[in-house]
Formats: sequence, C-alpha cells, structure tokens
Amino acid sequence: NAGVTQTPKFRVLKTGQSMTLLCAQDMNHEYMYWYRQDPGMGLRLIHYSVGEGTTAKGEVPDGYNVSRLKKQNFLLGLESAAPSQTSVYFCASSRGVVDNRRYNEQFFGPGTRLTVL
Amino acid sequence: AQTVTQSQPEMSVQEAETVTLSCTYDTSESNYYLFWYKQPPSRQMILVIRQEAYKQQNATENRFSVNFQKAAKSFSLKISDSQLGDTAMYFCAFMFNNAGNMLTFGGGTRLMVKP
Repeated sequence: NAGVTQTPKFRVLKTGQSMTLLCAQDMNHEYMYWYRQDPGMGLRLIHYSVGEGTTAKGEVPDGYNVSRLKKQNFLLGLESAAPSQTSVYFCASSRGVVDNRRYNEQFFGPGTRLTVL
Repeated sequence: AQTVTQSQPEMSVQEAETVTLSCTYDTSESNYYLFWYKQPPSRQMILVIRQEAYKQQNATENRFSVNFQKAAKSFSLKISDSQLGDTAMYFCAFMFNNAGNMLTFGGGTRLMVKP
C-alpha cells in the first residue's frame, strides 16, 4: 500500500515549456487535490476532483489544467510554464462521502519541486 | 472566503517542555472542521489532530491537544513533553462541511525543539 505517490520528484523547466505532473493513489479514494506551496507559505488549492471524470477550480487555478480520467490518477498540466509557477506541488486524496458519512482526512504525497527558469 | 492566520512565524521550546501554537480563522459558517498538520524537513504533510466545530470538547491525540474557542474563532495547538522529532512546520487548516472537503491553510509556524 503505497498511499499517494507523485511523479516526478524534481523538475526544472524553461519558460514556455509544458509538463504534466502525475499523482496516483491506491486507497480507492474518491476525492483528489492539487496544492502548491511557495516558500514560507501554506498550501494553496489549485484544482480538485470529487470523482472520476470531474474536476473543479480551487483558489489559484490560472495557468494549470487537470484531468481525472481514472479514479486512481489525477494529472496536473502546465501548458506554458512561467517563473511564477516555481513551487513545490503536493497532491492529496481523501475518501470523500461513503454511505452518507463524510471522511475528510486528506492524505498527502511527498511533493514535486518544480523550478521554472 | 475564509482566512486562516498563524501569527507566530517561528517558535522554539526546550525538549520536554510545553509549547502552544496559535491559530485564528475567519468564517461566517457554523459547521466546519479544523486541522493541524505537521511538515517536517522531509516535506511530508502529516495530520496531527482534527476538531469538528459542532463538538465542544477539545480534541486530544497523545501529547497533542487543542484549545478550540468557537466564539473567538481561535484554534491553538498545545504540544506537551516536546520531543526533538516535533521540530517541523505546523499548519493550521480550515474545511467547510460541504462537497469537496477543501482545505484552506494558514501560513505556518516553524517550531524548533532544542535539546
């Protein structure tokens, strides 16, 4: 049981390049999230998903796209990277609502450090 | 939109002593959850403790306890018998009781436990 995994762990991009970050969870969780953490700050929500095939915007969605084609995977895309997107990106998942009971604990991946030059 | 404020950027405590980290939040909702997360140098986010707003009793988890003051919108974390392994960033977080289970984080408090 690996929990939440993120690929890659580190990446350096040049301005204008594109890339996709992969998040995978093996806990059969319904909800998944992408956050970014800038130096000296708390995490901020980029996008989230409450189930396979659904996505929604969080607090800071501009410049990012996401897809949830499979329940266990949540992809974060940067179409044209900018230096302002230099950050550590965290994926998380939670069980969601099961049998009318809300399971709200979020389980986090180890993070991806992205540098955009 | 709700906001979460942690007014202590850094704190230090001697090993085996007690320390309290402060958190205040702003919301007009009455039904919500509050969390404390720990982020050690490994960067992994670890849930420390959780409080449901409708519960008056303060949550406790071993050496960790909270002081939840709903009217004052305050949610402090007390760490008793501090250990070197408690050295980390601590984040307070807020969650509405609605679809999505989305977290709003405070800016964090860096805690150093000194031997």
